[in-house]
Amino acid sequence: AQSVTQLGSHVSVSEGALVLLRCNYSSSVPPYLFWYVQYPNQGLQLLLKYTTGATLVKGINGFEAEFKKSETSFHLTKPSAHMSDAAEYFCAVSASGGSYIPTFGRGTSLIVHP
Amino acid sequence: EAGVAQSPRYKIIEKRQSVAFWCNPISGHATLYWYQQILGQGPKLLIQFQNNGVVDDSQLPKDRFSAERLKGVDSTLKIQPAKLEDSAVYLCASSLARPGLEREQFFGPGTRLTVL
Repeated sequence: AQSVTQLGSHVSVSEGALVLLRCNYSSSVPPYLFWYVQYPNQGLQLLLKYTTGATLVKGINGFEAEFKKSETSFHLTKPSAHMSDAAEYFCAVSASGGSYIPTFGRGTSLIVHP
Repeated sequence: EAGVAQSPRYKIIEKRQSVAFWCNPISGHATLYWYQQILGQGPKLLIQFQNNGVVDDSQLPKDRFSAERLKGVDSTLKIQPAKLEDSAVYLCASSLARPGLEREQFFGPGTRLTVL
């Protein structure tokens, strides 16, 4: 069984400020972890993923995430927010073996103020 | 490369009516998924196909929902009769069936269903 908790349904930052979106997971087997972004009236787009190897993962649009096994976390960061980053962000976990269907978190809405 | 196509983009119906959604996956993607995304929640898997066979439909409310992928390419999801709680965005996704790539799903824009 696996689950994802995204802390904070809304995160508000100023343009140019650090973005930090939190994700904690639980999984009975080594996880694969994902961050997706969803712009209004669009489907989900993969930002980045962790499978094995390097725990710091870089994705598109300047985002990165770090897998911390001891903290069961996979927080998403970006050094400097841009207005175009305003969207819904979903963290997801899937098992490294067996069923690979991801379990999604409830999402965090990122609001960027000018 | 064309993405996952879905239609219609929006649909408004009254409860007890029926509705159908269509999805055309990325060319060559053997695996196709239908997700339900209720407002304020993450997507939840309804059904997974590999080619024209069902892999997982354990979360599909089979008394009212049905899905098919007859020729292993495009797919249709139907709800009959619809209930108020079916109001959601229905997302279609596809992926390659190759080991290591099956977890990378590509999503369509979704169909927003409103049941009145």
